[in-house]
Amino acid sequence: DTEVTQTPKHLVMGMTNKKSLKCEQHMGHRAMYWYKQKAKKPPELMFVYSYEKLSINESVPSRFSPECPNSSLLNLHLHALQPEDSALYLCASSQDPGQVSNQPQHFGDGTRLSIL
Amino acid sequence: GESVGLHLPTLSVQEGDNSIINCAYSNSASDYFIWYKQESGKGPQFIIDIRSNMDKRQGQRVTVLLNKTVKHLSLQIAATQPGDSAVYFCAEGSVQAGTALIFGKGTTLSVSS
Repeated sequence: DTEVTQTPKHLVMGMTNKKSLKCEQHMGHRAMYWYKQKAKKPPELMFVYSYEKLSINESVPSRFSPECPNSSLLNLHLHALQPEDSALYLCASSQDPGQVSNQPQHFGDGTRLSIL
Repeated sequence: GESVGLHLPTLSVQEGDNSIINCAYSNSASDYFIWYKQESGKGPQFIIDIRSNMDKRQGQRVTVLLNKTVKHLSLQIAATQPGDSAVYFCAEGSVQAGTALIFGKGTTLSVSS
């Protein structure tokens, strides 16, 4: 079992819906990440939160809105998504926000999102 | 931007064989490397990492080798088992770049009994 928990595991939504993906970790990690992964491709970084503040936004469209309510939780709010946004959305965490590039990230099992 | 790539998209081995998965990186400033295993329906799982001040690191049944001269990274799995079947990603990081990890394309390892 992974120590990063993501809900829901699967989500089907229409292009006009609003939904949220949730991620939780209790390892005391202070860096948290959202990735998008298409089939047979590597994860693509979307956002990085360091000490609950957004530190990296990889030019993600505004229809994806991240939120970090506290050090254990990370949300991704979705609105007006497109069919090409269908993918596996992965959350990860790592211990030290000052070292996002040289420490292991621990991943959840993702939310598989389908846009109709 | 620079990226990490893998030499082969697929690798098929027999149970009990040793497997070697390769990865070439292009950023000479990268100083941290990590291997992940991703099984179907799961998120990437940390296997082993190595820093640029080392050229070899061993774990349980796995060894990572780093050749900075040719910018090459490999993952060796000893006595490969069917449970090792998965997609393997290498990733690189650079304190200098200040960005998060960059993932390579992935190699699918298939182990037959």
